[in-house]
Amino acid sequence: ETGVTQSPTHLIKTRGQQVTLRCSSQSGHNTVSWYQQALGQGPQFIFQYYREEENGRGNFPPRFSGLQFPNYSSELNVNALELDDSALYLCASTSKDRLINEQFFGPGTRLTVL
Amino acid sequence: DQQVKQNSPSLSVQEGRISILNCDYTNSMFDYFLWYKKYPAEGPTFLISISSIKDKNEDGRFTVFLNKSAKHLSLHIVPSQPGDSAVYFCAAMSNFGNEKLTFGTGTRLTIIP
Repeated sequence: ETGVTQSPTHLIKTRGQQVTLRCSSQSGHNTVSWYQQALGQGPQFIFQYYREEENGRGNFPPRFSGLQFPNYSSELNVNALELDDSALYLCASTSKDRLINEQFFGPGTRLTVL
Repeated sequence: DQQVKQNSPSLSVQEGRISILNCDYTNSMFDYFLWYKKYPAEGPTFLISISSIKDKNEDGRFTVFLNKSAKHLSLHIVPSQPGDSAVYFCAAMSNFGNEKLTFGTGTRLTIIP
């Protein structure tokens, strides 16, 4: 069983730029959630995708957007980057159809905005 | 508004002893609780969970206790091993809707050999 993978591992951008982060869900999972973890904090829910549609959103502005593809992989896009966007971005997968409550996380992408 | 709180940022325990990590929550809609363990440069790893219809769940060295009336849960690790040194996050969710996880701020557990 393949686990959750994310790319890239690290990324450095400057203020105002745009970034795309990628996530491949665990085999058999059809639901992907994205979380932002700032230094010293717990992960904060950004949004979730299920069957290629957004299925809930946390308290993040519209410049955070996402996509889910037919193979259940997902992208997180952030426009007009701000310094406070510097964080570890985590992707988690689960399966709504199998009623799995546990979410399984990838290793994360460390984004630094200068 | 911090709906899930882990009031101890750090905890040190002697190897072989019991580690007890605590978590409090405020949202009565939460009905499923999870503990994750995180090493540096890795994503959180699922450890153990408990549904609100239970008050205890055990898996090997790990036991989670839930006190719904006090809105409190705890993770017991016994015996503690050096490999248990990590940051532990408590998370909660409601089974209505999109299974969004709400995390605490974490407790750094250090096992002293």
